[in-house]
Amino acid sequence: SAVISQKPSRDICQRGTSLTIQCQVDSQVTMMFWYRQQPGQSLTLIATANQGSEATYESGFVIDKFPISRPNLTFSTLTVSNMSPEDSSIYLCSIIGQRTDTQYFGPGTRLTVL
Amino acid sequence: AQSVTQLGSHVSVSEGALVLLRCNYSSSVPPYLFWYVQYPNQGLQLLLKYTTGATLVKGINGFEAEFKKSETSFHLTKPSAHMSDAAEYFCAVSFGDSSYKLIFGSGTRLLVRP
Repeated sequence: SAVISQKPSRDICQRGTSLTIQCQVDSQVTMMFWYRQQPGQSLTLIATANQGSEATYESGFVIDKFPISRPNLTFSTLTVSNMSPEDSSIYLCSIIGQRTDTQYFGPGTRLTVL
Repeated sequence: AQSVTQLGSHVSVSEGALVLLRCNYSSSVPPYLFWYVQYPNQGLQLLLKYTTGATLVKGINGFEAEFKKSETSFHLTKPSAHMSDAAEYFCAVSFGDSSYKLIFGSGTRLLVRP
């Protein structure tokens, strides 16, 4: 299966700033996703990162707050903009594996906003 | 609307005892069902999945789950718990469409007592 890496693995940020999270896959994949896991909570889908076009956001998430890039089939970024303490979460990227309908997850980025 | 319910936010068992984690779903179409495990400070790892075919699915680390359509359930079991099984377990559902979106349950934390 594909190897998924995320950078940074964790960060502590000040409110009002922005952080860009990178997701790198070691093979080309068609579909990539970004999830948020708030403290003690389950995972919530933020958006589907579409290669070569704008991301598709889920209800409650907007592009101004969570801009996403997907420049090629192996890489995506998620930016958390104008952060507040409520944005403190684990952010995970996932992919659909080749010739499968199963999602595989990266190790996550643990974000703390002070 | 589709949803996933995991009964019990915390389950505690003795080492060597049966593990039973419950998952029920609500869906108007045949779902694909997944169990993921999250160890502390790590991403999600796929335990097993059901898409079509045999309703009893075997996964990694001795876990298995049975899809029961009449009960809309997909409970996770393991005959004998090991200390290393202590983790958070998430049931998830997708609907076999091209979006591949996953809807997660709230998670169950498994505690294994020596």
